[in-house]
Order: sequence, then C-alpha cells, then structure tokens
Amino acid sequence: RKEVEQDPGPFNVPEGATVAFNCTYSNSASQSFFWYRQDCRKEPKLLMSVYSSGNEDGRFTAQLNRASQYISLLIRDSKLSDSATYLCVVKWGGGADGLTFGKGTHLIIQP
Amino acid sequence: ETGVTQSPTHLIKTRGQQVTLRCSSQSGHNTVSWYQQALGQGPQFIFQYYREEENGRGNFPPRFSGLQFPNYSSELNVNALELDDSALYLCASSSRLVASTDTQYFGPGTRLTVL
Repeated sequence: RKEVEQDPGPFNVPEGATVAFNCTYSNSASQSFFWYRQDCRKEPKLLMSVYSSGNEDGRFTAQLNRASQYISLLIRDSKLSDSATYLCVVKWGGGADGLTFGKGTHLIIQP
Repeated sequence: ETGVTQSPTHLIKTRGQQVTLRCSSQSGHNTVSWYQQALGQGPQFIFQYYREEENGRGNFPPRFSGLQFPNYSSELNVNALELDDSALYLCASSSRLVASTDTQYFGPGTRLTVL
C-alpha cells in the first residue's frame, strides 16, 4: 500500500520563526521525493526535490531518512508570503506511476 | 508560470452528465498526468498518458477516461457524473526524454461542480 501521511496543522507561526514539517511514507520501494507548495485555490507548485543527502534552497532545507521512511522540510526566518499548504509528495516505481500526495500541512505566518 | 494550460477554469454540471476537460502541456513535455483534488485533500492520481496511450492509472473507475493527441495535449472525460466528482481537476506535464528530470508541473486546474 502506498500512503503519505502529514500533520494537517494548521501551524500558526510568528514571522521570523523557524518551522519544521515532517511526513512519513508507507512503502520502502519509493523512488523520488518532493515538497510542493499550494496557495489557496491555486495549483501545486514545486518547492524542491528531496535528495538522500539532504538539500538546501535559500531558507528551505529538506531531509530524507529512508531507513525511517520520513521526509522533513525546515523553513528558516519565515515570511508572511510563506503562508500556504505544503504537500509532501512521493513517486513510486517507474515512470508510469503518478505522484502520491499527502493531504498537506497548512502553515499560517502571523505578523 | 509553468506553461501548462487547462480549460475551462470552472464548470457546473448535473448528476449523470458527461464532461470533457482539456490540458495543453508545457513546450517540450511529452507526458501528461491527471489528478483529482477534493476539498481539503491532496491531489489523487487518476492516470498518465505517454505517446498517446494510457501508461499508468490510479484507483479510479472506467468512467474516467482520457486521450492524448500527437501535440501532447490531453483530455480527461468523465461519464455519468456523481456528486462526489466535484473537485479541482489538475493536469501536470513532464518529460520522459530525460529520466532524471521527470518533475511534474501543474496547470491551474478546472474546478468542476456537480449538482
């Protein structure tokens, strides 16, 4: 069974704070991992891919732990514009498989 | 912007009707995937089209069908609409030419309401 679990939140965080989300996935035969961001009533947009060694893009850091089957996203120095829903995404198998999304974690940055 | 377009943006249908949604993929992309996103949920994979053939399907009944055209654009057809089909339908394009870069880019979606 292929499932992705996330804490739906909402996470209410003051501007400038650091916030972290975790996500767990059910099947060890997973191939690729991503974080997408979705604003209200908009389409999901790729935030970053997640690599085994961990990767950073500005204020955003993603980590992957294959042994424990979880993925994390850390946002430093949070901005008001970071308010959105963050979707944890796993791609299983070969190219014919679609993406499996978690339900998303809702983040609200407060001034 | 991703360059993926979808039409129409909004649609209202009644139960039992049929609907066709359209998607134009990003230039250079040859693969189109369709997703259904119900309110408060993450997108769920419906199916994927590559080289004009269905190439992977999620847990959706046969009344969800699709097409891909030689220019890589795609259609999603839903027959015998049910109230639970009300959702945002998202199309995503990607490229199979380079296996390591199969990142999917989403269009703005079509919001379908079934009454």
